[in-house]
Amino acid sequence: DQQVKQNSPSLSVQEGRISILNCDYTNSMFDYFLWYKKYPAEGPTFLISISSIKDKNEDGRFTVFLNKSAKHLSLHIVPSQPGDSAVYFCLVGYTDNTNAGKSTFGDGTTLTVKP
Amino acid sequence: DVKVTQSSRYLVKRTGEKVFLECVQDMDHENMFWYRQDPGLGLRLIYFSYDVKMKEKGDIPEGYSVSREKKERFSLILESASTNQTSMYLCASRLGNSPLHFGNGTRLTVT
Repeated sequence: DQQVKQNSPSLSVQEGRISILNCDYTNSMFDYFLWYKKYPAEGPTFLISISSIKDKNEDGRFTVFLNKSAKHLSLHIVPSQPGDSAVYFCLVGYTDNTNAGKSTFGDGTTLTVKP
Repeated sequence: DVKVTQSSRYLVKRTGEKVFLECVQDMDHENMFWYRQDPGLGLRLIYFSYDVKMKEKGDIPEGYSVSREKKERFSLILESASTNQTSMYLCASRLGNSPLHFGNGTRLTVT
């Protein structure tokens, strides 16, 4: 049973518009929520995270929202730029280091931002 | 800045060969991880290590083993490579509960 799902394999948006990427999880005990971005032939790079005690965290054009009751995480990119075109993965798990191996990535969403 | 270095970007091996993938990090992180990435399947954890000589199975350990003799180095071993192990392999490290830092990956093709 997949614990972390990104239901949209791909998303295409126009430059300057908002990109919204979604991630759903099943385990209410998860308290570790991050987004990663991956370009082809490179490793994923950390983008933004959110603490389980918050519902929103902003960093420039990137905002992550957490709805714990719905077990839903989303990433908003405003305004979207062509350089944002990449695969985006959510990572959900535990902050507790003894459970480090129980963090799970979503399947990824390929974002294409058209000029 | 954290640097995670994977020794090879591309590897081509034959079925049945023993394959070693090496990963080195330079920031004294206690936790190290091996993932594989396949289209439509995201990143799946093979093994991780939380200390020297310590290892834990991830979600897909079958056909793999690991070695961590020194804190900075974590090796992934394919005992007898098979074609279904053709994939992108990604090494990562982290300190405590900080974000994972990834290497650039090794694209392994088994023929």
